[in-house]
Amino acid sequence: GEDVEQSLFLSVREGDSSVINCTYTDSSSTYLYWYKQEPGAGLQLLTYIFSNMDMKQDQRLTVLLNKKDKHLSLRIADTQTGDSAIYFCAERTDTGRRALTFGSGTRLQVQP
Amino acid sequence: EPEVTQTPSHQVTQMGQEVILRCVPISNHLYFYWYRQILGQKVEFLVSFYNNEISEKSEIFDDQFSVERPDGSNFTLKIRSTKLEDSAMYFCASRGRHSGANVLTFGAGSRLTVL
Repeated sequence: GEDVEQSLFLSVREGDSSVINCTYTDSSSTYLYWYKQEPGAGLQLLTYIFSNMDMKQDQRLTVLLNKKDKHLSLRIADTQTGDSAIYFCAERTDTGRRALTFGSGTRLQVQP
Repeated sequence: EPEVTQTPSHQVTQMGQEVILRCVPISNHLYFYWYRQILGQKVEFLVSFYNNEISEKSEIFDDQFSVERPDGSNFTLKIRSTKLEDSAMYFCASRGRHSGANVLTFGAGSRLTVL
């Protein structure tokens, strides 16, 4: 079945760039998503990328997709303390299961 | 901005008791979902619901679980006889018919603790 893996923890200094990585197994993934979860809050969609793209930029966020290696990354430029949260990678296919498959989440800690 | 609302935010129950978790999806959304996250583990899909019936469910969603949309606004998840391993954060989500990239909007979650 589908699987999505992420590293559990990342610590960066304020102002640095953060790169959160994700790998997935399903080659028929159609959309890949990044969700953010702040303490006590729900999963907030940050950005997504369609599988026929290899890069998407949205203000401080850059998503890179390497479809050959099934690797997705989220780069946050000029990381702020308010970016401290858990970041979830998720994928969806248009065949078989249509529900999202999530990773375990990466906890980003931003040091002032 | 429209949001998905979940109640209660935290429920503590005894093993074997029935629990109902409630969700109010975004008003013009047509697709509804429940996910759960056991502490420290992945967010797992439970069930999706469309047109008043289950459209997909996972292996986790066994006979102890049921979903209902009783009144056109609430979407509920019932656990008939809770087990210790049902302790988790339960997230409700909804999606509109024309949602670009099939984007789901999630609620803040209901934390269930089974003692």
